[in-house]
Amino acid sequence: GQNIDQPTEMTATEGAIVQINCTYQTSGFNGLFWYQQHAGEAPTFLSYNVLDGLEEKGRFSSFLSRSKGYSYLLLKELQMKDSASYLCAVRDWGNTDKLIFGTGTRLQVFP
Amino acid sequence: DSGVTQTPKHLITATGQRVTLRCSPRSGDLSVYWYQQSLDQGLQFLIQYYNGEERAKGNILERFSAQQFPDLHSELNLSSLELGDSALYFCASSADLPPYTFGSGTRLTVV
Repeated sequence: GQNIDQPTEMTATEGAIVQINCTYQTSGFNGLFWYQQHAGEAPTFLSYNVLDGLEEKGRFSSFLSRSKGYSYLLLKELQMKDSASYLCAVRDWGNTDKLIFGTGTRLQVFP
Repeated sequence: DSGVTQTPKHLITATGQRVTLRCSPRSGDLSVYWYQQSLDQGLQFLIQYYNGEERAKGNILERFSAQQFPDLHSELNLSSLELGDSALYFCASSADLPPYTFGSGTRLTVV
């Protein structure tokens, strides 16, 4: 089975840096994804890690440690529009490539 | 526009009824995934189809069924609806590998 844990809520100030952690316990692992979801809207893809290390994409970076079952999403230079839920998802192993999602972290950015 | 089209956007129906949700994947994507998102819940995987065949099944109730047609569009059928089935239903599509692209969802309200 798959168990994916994220903090439920976080708050931060505009212009700051925030790190959202994700830990997972899975029977298999074939990649970790981060999605952003604004309330009532579709999730949108942010980043993907399959090997250990840091992937940087503009203001967003994601880190993976497979041995620790741990990932984080780093958001820099926070903007008000970054207020959203951030979903961590693990790609299943085997014949299917389905993603198993955590419950998400709701981030509120204050001025 | 993500390229994944879901209809209808909103649906209100009574308990005990049956509804059909429709999804057209992005052009060229062979995989279609269905997810359910209840209030303050994470995305729960329901079912995956690949090129017309069922590939993976999640915690999908027996009252729910799905299929993917030769033109690759998919339908999710929900029957004997209960109040607890009220949720956002997302469809996503992908080519051979993730990331998925999500549609804008169908908001189902059972009254």
